[in-house]
Amino acid sequence: GQNIDQPTEMTATEGAIVQINCTYQTSGFNGLFWYQQHAGEAPTFLSYNVLDGLEEKGRFSSFLSRSKGYSYLLLKELQMKDSASYLCAVNSDYKLSFGAGTTVTVRA
Amino acid sequence: IAGITQAPTSQILAAGRRMTLRCTQDMRHNAMYWYRQDLGLGLRLIHYSNTAGTTGKGEVPDGYSVSRANTDDFPLTLASAVPSQTSVYFCASSAGTSGANEQFFGPGTRLTVL
Repeated sequence: GQNIDQPTEMTATEGAIVQINCTYQTSGFNGLFWYQQHAGEAPTFLSYNVLDGLEEKGRFSSFLSRSKGYSYLLLKELQMKDSASYLCAVNSDYKLSFGAGTTVTVRA
Repeated sequence: IAGITQAPTSQILAAGRRMTLRCTQDMRHNAMYWYRQDLGLGLRLIHYSNTAGTTGKGEVPDGYSVSRANTDDFPLTLASAVPSQTSVYFCASSAGTSGANEQFFGPGTRLTVL
């Protein structure tokens, strides 16, 4: 199986920046996804990285280093609605393996 | 319609009973997936299908079976439910089969096996 690690919980203040790290060990790497999941809801797509570097999409950015087996999701200008779980998922052998998720709580 | 739908929304089931979870997508996606999500373990792949008529095993296939008679439907069957199958089940679909395409998830089925 795959080994995907991300922190369990993070707390930040509204308007701040939070960085969620994800490390992985896998064979046949074909890219890395980040999904957002609000409590009681389905996961929704945030970003996809297959090449090294930073992908920016509005307030959210995602970074990948394939040589280090490392990615991060950066959430800027945090809003209360950003309180959710963030799932790191690695595409290996054409299937996704998910980390356990990081629950981010945004405080006023 | 709604993209990807699942039924039922929730179910309480006696151990030993047979149960089929339904999943339908209207996006004409080739690939479909079934995951279970348990606290602290994240989403785990049960079975997948890259196209109608084909299926494959994921990380945790034991106790589950699937079929893909057509593009739109991908039912998941528990032949004889056990308490360890208590979980939230998500169906997903994607346009491509390489794993590089975004997966769209259904709203989930919360299953409790007593």
